[in-house]
Amino acid sequence: QKEVEQNSGPLSVPEGAIASLNCTYSDRVSQSFFWYRQYSGKSPELIMSIYSNGDKEDGRFTAQLNKASQYVSLLIRDSQPSDSATYLCAVNMRAGNNRKLIWGLGTSLAVNP
Amino acid sequence: KAGVTQTPRYLIKTRGQQVTLSCSPISGHRSVSWYQQTPGQGLQFLFEYFSETQRNKGNFPGRFSGRQFSNSRSEMNVSTLELGDSALYLCASSRGDTQYFGPGTRLTVL
Repeated sequence: QKEVEQNSGPLSVPEGAIASLNCTYSDRVSQSFFWYRQYSGKSPELIMSIYSNGDKEDGRFTAQLNKASQYVSLLIRDSQPSDSATYLCAVNMRAGNNRKLIWGLGTSLAVNP
Repeated sequence: KAGVTQTPRYLIKTRGQQVTLSCSPISGHRSVSWYQQTPGQGLQFLFEYFSETQRNKGNFPGRFSGRQFSNSRSEMNVSTLELGDSALYLCASSRGDTQYFGPGTRLTVL
């Protein structure tokens, strides 16, 4: 089992719809979780972080964390064509005596006008 | 506050050459991580430096090396370049566990 798993997509939604992106992780004691957006040819940019169970909202974005089920999701409300990108999930996990950010392969999102 | 900067932005090298990439973190950030990204492979972790010490290392051959200076700036070096080293090399700085990425260096090996 991969440490952080995401559906590769592409996920296609119409403009104005809600896009739902999911991520599961293997380390039960992980404490911090991140969503990044990456446009083609560009570097990843942080959308939001989440540390506690439940929902965290920032504008049109909502991150949802369920530690018992080991998943974190990102909802994008009122999706716009400019949201078309690859969304990366990252989880801070144990790595020996340290911690390391483990990345999913990303989900490609296409928002159709 | 200025973001993470990487130089050069683009680089073309030939097989067998070596290359050095540079990363300047956000002011106050002491941790710098390096990643390689190729199409379909996602972000592959190379190494992380904190206060001039390598804290974590990925599964890359010894041709890939790095270092960090006392001002937190970091360099990575790739020796004896291979065609498969063509990729986007990303640097990320952090204070705590949130990483912020630079624009990347696009390396092409011919």
